[in-house]
Amino acid sequence: TQTVSQSDAHVTVFEGDSVELRCNYSYGGSIYLSWYIQHHGHGLQFLLKYYSGNPVVQGVNGFEAEFSKSDSSFHLRKASVHWSDSAVYFCAVRQSSGSWQLIFGSGTQLTVMP
Amino acid sequence: EAAVTQSPRNKVAVTGGKVTLSCNQTNNHNNMYWYRQDTGHGLRLIHYSYGAGSTEKGDIPDGYKASRPSQENFSLILELATPSQTSVYFCASGDVGASGDTQYFGPGTRLLVL
Repeated sequence: TQTVSQSDAHVTVFEGDSVELRCNYSYGGSIYLSWYIQHHGHGLQFLLKYYSGNPVVQGVNGFEAEFSKSDSSFHLRKASVHWSDSAVYFCAVRQSSGSWQLIFGSGTQLTVMP
Repeated sequence: EAAVTQSPRNKVAVTGGKVTLSCNQTNNHNNMYWYRQDTGHGLRLIHYSYGAGSTEKGDIPDGYKASRPSQENFSLILELATPSQTSVYFCASGDVGASGDTQYFGPGTRLLVL
């Protein structure tokens, strides 16, 4: 059974700081990894995904994530956060065969202080 | 832009009553999904569908039924609502491609079962 772990439930930074939101997965074989953002009171929105190739993938609004097979990780980063980046961020893994389900982590609440 | 709408946005139901949550997508995606979101659990998959006429059980299907009468519409049915089904419900649509499955979420339905 694959799992997705987001070890930090809450992260607080100041505007202009860099941030890294951590995601670790346990699954063997080829996988798809993605990040979604959820602003308060809204549905999830896709940020970026990785399947193969360059392990660093770029997303919207300056977000990027780096896949590491050795660490079983797919951490999300941003060099300089804005107050509007305050939201809950979900990491997700999807099987590359069989079921097409996305397995979501429990989410990380990012708070950006002015 | 992908468009997934849900109705109602808010619903109060009584224990034992029947509740139907509706979802419509204009993306022409084959796959549709119903999740519930509870604090501490992230998103959990209830039912999903590969296309009109198909419904599949997700991770937590007990107490829920689903219906996919057309490509655009996917309903979640609670025949006998219970207070434990109080939650926020999200519908999503997506298609599986070579680069993975990006899902597009609706705004959510907040259900309170008294």
